[in-house]
Amino acid sequence: GAVVSQHPSRVICKSGTSVKIECRSLDFQATTMFWYRQFPKKSLMLMATSNEGSKATYEQGVEKDKFLINHASLTLSTLTVTSAHPEDSSFYICSARDRRDSSYNSPLHFGNGTRLTVT
Amino acid sequence: AQSVTQLDSQVPVFEEAPVELRCNYSSSVSVYLFWYVQYPNQGLQLLLKYLSGSTLVKGINGFEAEFNKSQTSFHLRKPSVHISDTAEYFCAVSAPEGYQKVTFGTGTKLQVIP
Repeated sequence: GAVVSQHPSRVICKSGTSVKIECRSLDFQATTMFWYRQFPKKSLMLMATSNEGSKATYEQGVEKDKFLINHASLTLSTLTVTSAHPEDSSFYICSARDRRDSSYNSPLHFGNGTRLTVT
Repeated sequence: AQSVTQLDSQVPVFEEAPVELRCNYSSSVSVYLFWYVQYPNQGLQLLLKYLSGSTLVKGINGFEAEFNKSQTSFHLRKPSVHISDTAEYFCAVSAPEGYQKVTFGTGTKLQVIP
């Protein structure tokens, strides 16, 4: 149980275009999903917290207009990288908590990540 | 705010040897502690977690960790590693603030040598 599907797993796009990454909780509902960015040999950097039906909460230093997050339902959150540039190339990972167990002592369920390459 | 320190960025160990991956945390409030494993080009998978009670926590794949409050540590151990344990390991803390934010350490790459 507790499967999070992230799509696509890999994407290559040209500089200036936009890319949408989807994060779906397949067998549970998630009122909160988290988006992370992972640099090579670095930890996961929390970009934003996505709350179903409301605006996402962004971490300091993350551009809201560049990384658009939408959490339209209890099972789907999307991250859109707008006007992508080569420096946006990275590994993006989403995670979610089951709404039935949403306390801070419950583990996160992770998607398999998306490798974005901007040429 | 809480923070997590994983001092060892890489730990090479021979197959069937024991291993310890170190994790220290800092927090002004009580925290919950986790270890996650990440295989190449994949997301993270929960290995084990400490919430309360016994300070020795057993997880999947033969791993265990010990919570030491006085030393603010939560080191991960395995008595005998396998090639398949080669992966990145992340220590994480969660505290009751804001929107249940989870803070991760910088990770330790465990390299099992045949």
